[in-house]
Amino acid sequence: DQQVKQNSPSLSVQEGRISILNCDYTNSMFDYFLWYKKYPAEGPTFLISISSIKDKNEDGRFTVFLNKSAKHLSLHIVPSQPGDSAVYFCAATGLANDYKLSFGAGTTVTVRA
Amino acid sequence: KAGVTQTPRYLIKTRGQQVTLSCSPISGHRSVSWYQQTPGQGLQFLFEYFSETQRNKGNFPGRFSGRQFSNSRSEMNVSTLELGDSALYLCASRVTSGRNYEQFFGPGTRLTVL
Repeated sequence: DQQVKQNSPSLSVQEGRISILNCDYTNSMFDYFLWYKKYPAEGPTFLISISSIKDKNEDGRFTVFLNKSAKHLSLHIVPSQPGDSAVYFCAATGLANDYKLSFGAGTTVTVRA
Repeated sequence: KAGVTQTPRYLIKTRGQQVTLSCSPISGHRSVSWYQQTPGQGLQFLFEYFSETQRNKGNFPGRFSGRQFSNSRSEMNVSTLELGDSALYLCASRVTSGRNYEQFFGPGTRLTVL
C-alpha cells in the first residue's frame, strides 16, 4: 500500500534553472512531511520539512510547498547546481502511522552543466 | 557529534544463510528504525525500536527480526536468506521528544545474496 507517491522517476534540469519535484500522498492523517536527498553509496540526508499547519517552508535554495486539500507537496530548488544531482525522496509521517516514515519511490535529479 | 554508523558496509551471503547487521545511533537518540531499499521501491520500513522494545513493524516476513540494546545500539537479523533479500539496509535514529520527526540515516549495509 503505497501511501506516498512520486510519479516522476527522473528529472533533468539545466544548471541555474529551477528543479520542481512532486509528491502525492493518500493518508489525510499525515501531519509532517520531509524531503531527503541521497547520493549513491550513502544514506539519505535530511533536506527540509514542513508541518501540516503550514503551506510553505523555505531554507536557502530549497522551498517546500504543501497543498493539503490536494494531498500534494512539492520541492523547489532554485537555482539548481551540479551538486544537486541525486535521488530525492519524499516522506510523510503522523500519528496515524505512529510517526514512522512512509517514503515515496524517489526521483532522480540530473543537473546539466 | 558522530553520525549513525552501520557495520558491515558490504556483505555477500548465499541463499539459506543468515545475517546480522549492526547500527549505532547518534548519541542521545533512543529510537532506531530499519529500512530496506531496493531499486524502484524506495525505502520500505522494517521496524522501529525504542527503549529496547519494538514499537512498530512493517510488512516483512518473520525471517526479518531485530533487537535493541540498553545503549540504544540495534541489530537486525535476516534468517534463511533469499535472493530477493539483496538490498541496501538502512538504519536511522531520531530523538523522540517534541515535534521533531527527522530521522538521521547511516550509510547503509549493502547485502548481496547469491
